[in-house]
Amino acid sequence: AQRVTQPEKLLSVFKGAPVELKCNYSYSGSPELFWYVQYSRQRLQLLLRHISRESIKGFTADLNKGETSFHLKKPFAQEEDSAMYYCALSRGRLYFGRGTQLTVWP
Amino acid sequence: AAGVIQSPRHLIKEKRETATLKCYPIPRHDTVYWYQQGPGQDPQFLISFYEKMQSDKGSIPDRFSAQQFSDYHSELNMSSLELGDSALYFCASSLTGPHVEDEQFFGPGTRLTVL
Repeated sequence: AQRVTQPEKLLSVFKGAPVELKCNYSYSGSPELFWYVQYSRQRLQLLLRHISRESIKGFTADLNKGETSFHLKKPFAQEEDSAMYYCALSRGRLYFGRGTQLTVWP
Repeated sequence: AAGVIQSPRHLIKEKRETATLKCYPIPRHDTVYWYQQGPGQDPQFLISFYEKMQSDKGSIPDRFSAQQFSDYHSELNMSSLELGDSALYFCASSLTGPHVEDEQFFGPGTRLTVL
């Protein structure tokens, strides 16, 4: 069965500090993984997907099949990064993790 | 740019009543997904439609039904509402079918409260 785990419900860092949001998945096939973000009072929106291997707003995420992880990283967090982040595995439908609320303090 | 539209944004119902949630996908998007997010829970997939046909079904109660119309908008009908149905209901759309690699574009959600 597919499952996405985000172990941290809350994460706080200071501005300029590195940040890593953890995501682990269980899936027997080749996963299609996404990070979605929800800023305050806005809708869920795509941040990045592993197949594009691009950096969005300074965030990157590398798929590690050996560790079944897709952690989201940013070297220098900004206050505007404060949001709810969801890791999701796609099988057409999305399987979401429970989300991590990131707060970046000034 | 046009986004996914959901109506109503907020809905308050009594137990055992019915509710209808509407979703209007982005123009030219032919696939619609419905998700339910209970308080403190992660979004759970309910059902999806592609070209007006059901394409996938998740943990949707038998009391709920949904369809996609000829203009690609979708409606989620919920009957015999229970307190546990109180949740945020998201709709998402994607272009050209329910492919695993496609981005889903989300609506703002409908917050349903059952009293």
